[in-house]
Amino acid sequence: DVKVTQSSRYLVKRTGEKVFLECVQDMDHENMFWYRQDPGLGLRLIYFSYDVKMKEKGDIPEGYSVSREKKERFSLILESASTNQTSMYLCASSFSPGSLSNQPQHFGDGTRLSIL
Amino acid sequence: AQTVTQSQPEMSVQEAETVTLSCTYDTSESDYYLFWYKQPPSRQMILVIRQEAYKQQNATENRFSVNFQKAAKSFSLKISDSQLGDAAMYFCAYRSALTEKLVFGKGTKLTVNP
Repeated sequence: DVKVTQSSRYLVKRTGEKVFLECVQDMDHENMFWYRQDPGLGLRLIYFSYDVKMKEKGDIPEGYSVSREKKERFSLILESASTNQTSMYLCASSFSPGSLSNQPQHFGDGTRLSIL
Repeated sequence: AQTVTQSQPEMSVQEAETVTLSCTYDTSESDYYLFWYKQPPSRQMILVIRQEAYKQQNATENRFSVNFQKAAKSFSLKISDSQLGDAAMYFCAYRSALTEKLVFGKGTKLTVNP
């Protein structure tokens, strides 16, 4: 089974802090994703990466950056945390078999981040 | 841009009964994939079922099946013989054949009553 591990289940930080959310997958997947989930809004894509050191903006990248130095690890960075970034953050990964197919995304357990 | 609409924010069903969750999507593309994900209170998002747009046959996974109507851009999920463990948020998702990105609906919260 695919295992996507997020480093923290709950995290509390202060306004203005630099925050790192870490995600590791164990299936050698090419693609990795960061979403935020808010009640009534579903999941919204922040950033994704289809290869090491490659990244693309999603729908709501403002206030966030990402890092992918190794294939198995994808980090989400809040450069200067603000209260409106209080949310659930979900990491996912997927396999790219050379041509696009119906490969699903596999998700971690989520990090509930509170910015005070 | 593609959009996914789940018109039922909440649904409830009696244990052992059947329930159908609705999903519609908007796209101008002909080649794409559709997914239903389940998110129980434990929070991990789990794939329930997937459908390729080029397949006319509706996908089935045990008690879960879909009604895929390509012309109507509709992708509903039917859960038969509902169990208490089916209680969760259910998300419909669309993926173009041109990208790896998923577009999610806002979700339907399913309650299963004993």
